[in-house]
Amino acid sequence: GAGVSQSPRYKVAKRGQDVALRCDPISGHVSLFWYQQALGQGPEFLTYFQNEAQLDKSGLPSDRFFAERPEGSVSTLKIQRTQQEDSAVYLCASSLAFVTSGGAKNIQYFGAGTRLSVL
Amino acid sequence: AQSVTQPDIHITVSEGASLELRCNYSYGATPYLFWYVQSPGQGLQLLLKYFSGDTLVQGIKGFEAEFKRSQSSFNLRKPSVHWSDAAEYFCAVGWAGTASKLTFGTGTRLQVTL
Repeated sequence: GAGVSQSPRYKVAKRGQDVALRCDPISGHVSLFWYQQALGQGPEFLTYFQNEAQLDKSGLPSDRFFAERPEGSVSTLKIQRTQQEDSAVYLCASSLAFVTSGGAKNIQYFGAGTRLSVL
Repeated sequence: AQSVTQPDIHITVSEGASLELRCNYSYGATPYLFWYVQSPGQGLQLLLKYFSGDTLVQGIKGFEAEFKRSQSSFNLRKPSVHWSDAAEYFCAVGWAGTASKLTFGTGTRLQVTL
C-alpha cells in the first residue's frame, strides 16, 4: 500500500479484556517497529522486527504484551488482560532496510496509530 | 541512557513570525537526527533528517534544522510560520550501529495566532 496502515483506529476495552492491534507496513519494508504514545508524551519504543524475526523487545512493559510478524509483513500487537495504564496510542512504523545498513534506508514511516482506551 | 530533551512544551507564535524549536540529545556517538510533526489524530510525518555531511538540512514545508555537535543540538527553524503549521513537533534520535529504535523527546506544541 501507499503508507503504513493500522487497524482499528480506535479501540475501547474493558479492563481485563484482551486486544489485538494490526499493522500493515509499506510493501517491501523489511523493518517494523511498534511504539506506545501516552497522552502528552512522545512515542516510546516497544519492539522491533526484521522480517519475521523479533530482534528487540526490550520496550515491552510487561509479559502481557506480545507482538508477532509471522510472514514478515503484517504484524499484530496483542495485549492480554488490559489495564487502565495501557491506555495510549499505539504507533507502528516501517522502514526499507535492515537496521545496520544505515542512512536514508532507515527512515521510519509511521501509521496513524490505534488509540486504545481501557475502561 | 540515551535521552532527548525538548525544553519547550508549548510555544505560541504569530503567523508570519519566525520559529525555532529546540532539541538536545545525550550520547557520545554520531547520531541520526529527525524531526517529525503530528497533527491531532494523525501519525507522525517526517519533516527532515540528518545522517551525515552538511550540518544544515532542509526539509518539507519550508523547515530547516542545524546539527551542532558541540552543543548536542538539532534545532528546528522556519523563517515565516503559517497557521497550518500548528501541530505537535517531535525531535527523535537514532544511533548508527544500534539504530533500531528511535528515542523521542516529549514534544513541543506549536500554536499559531492570526
